[in-house]
Amino acid sequence: NAGVTQTPKFQVLKTGQSMTLQCAQDMNHNSMYWYRQDPGMGLRLIYYSASEGTTDKGEVPNGYNVSRLNKREFSLRLESAAPSQTSVYFCASSERGSAQYSNQPQHFGDGTRLSIL
Amino acid sequence: RKEVEQDPGPFNVPEGATVAFNCTYSNSASQSFFWYRQDCRKEPKLLMSVYSSGNEDGRFTAQLNRASQYISLLIRDSKLSDSATYLCVVKRAGNMLTFGGGTRLMVKP
Repeated sequence: NAGVTQTPKFQVLKTGQSMTLQCAQDMNHNSMYWYRQDPGMGLRLIYYSASEGTTDKGEVPNGYNVSRLNKREFSLRLESAAPSQTSVYFCASSERGSAQYSNQPQHFGDGTRLSIL
Repeated sequence: RKEVEQDPGPFNVPEGATVAFNCTYSNSASQSFFWYRQDCRKEPKLLMSVYSSGNEDGRFTAQLNRASQYISLLIRDSKLSDSATYLCVVKRAGNMLTFGGGTRLMVKP
């Protein structure tokens, strides 16, 4: 039972480099999310995709772009990495994005630890 | 002011103790409420949903007070394995979650 799979698990970048974080889920979920977690800040939503073909900004979208490649995959791209983007990044998915399924939990991948030097 | 506020702790308790965590949220339009558990350097995992009528799952009891915008989690008979960070989570429309900063619990032998 893979659930939500993130790659890579660790990455070190230099300021200005670009990279894409990959996320895939095998639960046939409609909605997918990218969060970052910083000490004392809790998880903050970067972007989300309520369904295949749609993406929307979350709380902290600046410096990031996303692609919902298909129902399974949702990638996060840093075009020009900055030290402020050093963080742990979590991808999550859930079955529905509508209020009708408001109690559907989100399932998380095990994170990508990203350091920008 | 943060949308979801929690006491960061840590709460250091002996095995067998009862411990309670509190959480307040500021958005009265919030629809759903959860407690997630996060172990050190691991991903968050759903512990339980929180309902207005209160709900219990084994040693865990969650309560919601919509009028006061207050959520609680009670853990009875604490185990060493309960040591983790507990995240209070609130959902608005569209399945967007807002996380509190977490409360760290350390259960000692």
